[in-house]
Amino acid sequence: QLQLLESGPGLVKPSETLSLTCAVSGGSISSNRLYWGWIRQPPGKGLEWIGSIYYNGNTYYNPSLKSRVTISVDTSKNQFSLKLSSVTAADTAVYYCARHRGDHYYDGMDVWGQGTTVTVSS
Amino acid sequence: QSALAQPASVSGSPGQSITISCAGTSSDVGGYNYVSWYQQHPGKAPRLLIYEVSNRPSGVPDRFSGSKSGNTASLTISGLQADDEADYYCSSYTISSTLQEFGGGTKLTVV
Repeated sequence: QLQLLESGPGLVKPSETLSLTCAVSGGSISSNRLYWGWIRQPPGKGLEWIGSIYYNGNTYYNPSLKSRVTISVDTSKNQFSLKLSSVTAADTAVYYCARHRGDHYYDGMDVWGQGTTVTVSS
Repeated sequence: QSALAQPASVSGSPGQSITISCAGTSSDVGGYNYVSWYQQHPGKAPRLLIYEVSNRPSGVPDRFSGSKSGNTASLTISGLQADDEADYYCSSYTISSTLQEFGGGTKLTVV
């Protein structure tokens, strides 16, 4: 059974870079020709799509975050990562990684990590 | 403010049916069949209920159904159960620069 697990610092200082990793177990990123995505949810608010990456490294980003976001994939480690630069308090959120069920970045996301809380504060 | 408009809240009694709407435009919901619906219980990750407007992933009960008419997609839950009390989000592909968007979410209360 495919499982995703987010990891990374729970506290990031303003203006620094937020870095998270999503480890995939129970299946291979490279053998599943699917998109993998990052989604966040600020406290008490709705879901926001951050961006998604294909197994071959092709990426799509939310234009509102594109200038600050980098998503990468490491098939040798079976994981993909998120970097968000120049963070502010507005980036405080629960960050989820997820698998898209198809080979489009807009396909529904059928497997989700448990989420990790990131707080931006000095 | 989300591009996809959902009612903030809906309610129903056990055994009843409810429908949650997701209003978009011809650039997203109305123009493409890439609408998904998610259920999220407090403190939990979202769960995919519906993809491509009306398809259910394996394991999702057939009490959950999706449809679309014009620029509005809908999620219908029949035979409401207490465990259906959760937040529900729609999402859609969009030809606009945002690429993909979520609705603002709807809180379902089972009274």
